[in-house]
Amino acid sequence: DVKVTQSSRYLVKRTGEKVFLECVQDMDHENMFWYRQDPGLGLRLIYFSYDVKMKEKGDIPEGYSVSREKKERFSLILESASTNQTSMYLCASSSNNYGYTFGSGTRLTVV
Amino acid sequence: AQTVTQSQPEMSVQEAETVTLSCTYDTSESDYYLFWYKQPPSRQMILVIRQEAYKQQNATENRFSVNFQKAAKSFSLKISDSQLGDAAMYFCAYRRYSGGGADGLTFGKGTHLIIQP
Repeated sequence: DVKVTQSSRYLVKRTGEKVFLECVQDMDHENMFWYRQDPGLGLRLIYFSYDVKMKEKGDIPEGYSVSREKKERFSLILESASTNQTSMYLCASSSNNYGYTFGSGTRLTVV
Repeated sequence: AQTVTQSQPEMSVQEAETVTLSCTYDTSESDYYLFWYKQPPSRQMILVIRQEAYKQQNATENRFSVNFQKAAKSFSLKISDSQLGDAAMYFCAYRRYSGGGADGLTFGKGTHLIIQP
């Protein structure tokens, strides 16, 4: 069964910490995405990558960076976590015009 | 920039009845894709149905069908014979045609669907 795996389901971090959210896909997809989901706001695109070492800003990139050193892995980095980054983070991958496969999400709380 | 609007934050329907979820979008593109995703409490986003804008025929997947009105930029989802397992958040999403899948999806804010037994 093809899948996108996010390393943590729940995460609690302190303000100012550097936080890494990891996402791995086993479908050999070229494209990977990080979304943030907040109640009443839907999903908003943070960053995406269409190839190894390539990245593009989405709609809300401020406070975040990403890394894609290998095709199957796409990491979201919070350089200095803040309380307003408390949210649900969803990773997705795709290889064509149709198929987006999502992970199960990481619920991050910054205290 | 494209926007997707879901005007119903919450909908409730009796089991076995039919419910329609609304979605409108704004774009200057002529070719694009539209999607409905379901997110149950497990948080896993599940593709319900997709529609290519160049196709006039409305997409159908079992009990799920869409009413795609391109001129009106409307894309509603009809769920027939509602089941308890249909209870979830439903998101309407847009993606432009070009880009080979590299473009992200633009999502609406979601509709929480409640199924009354």
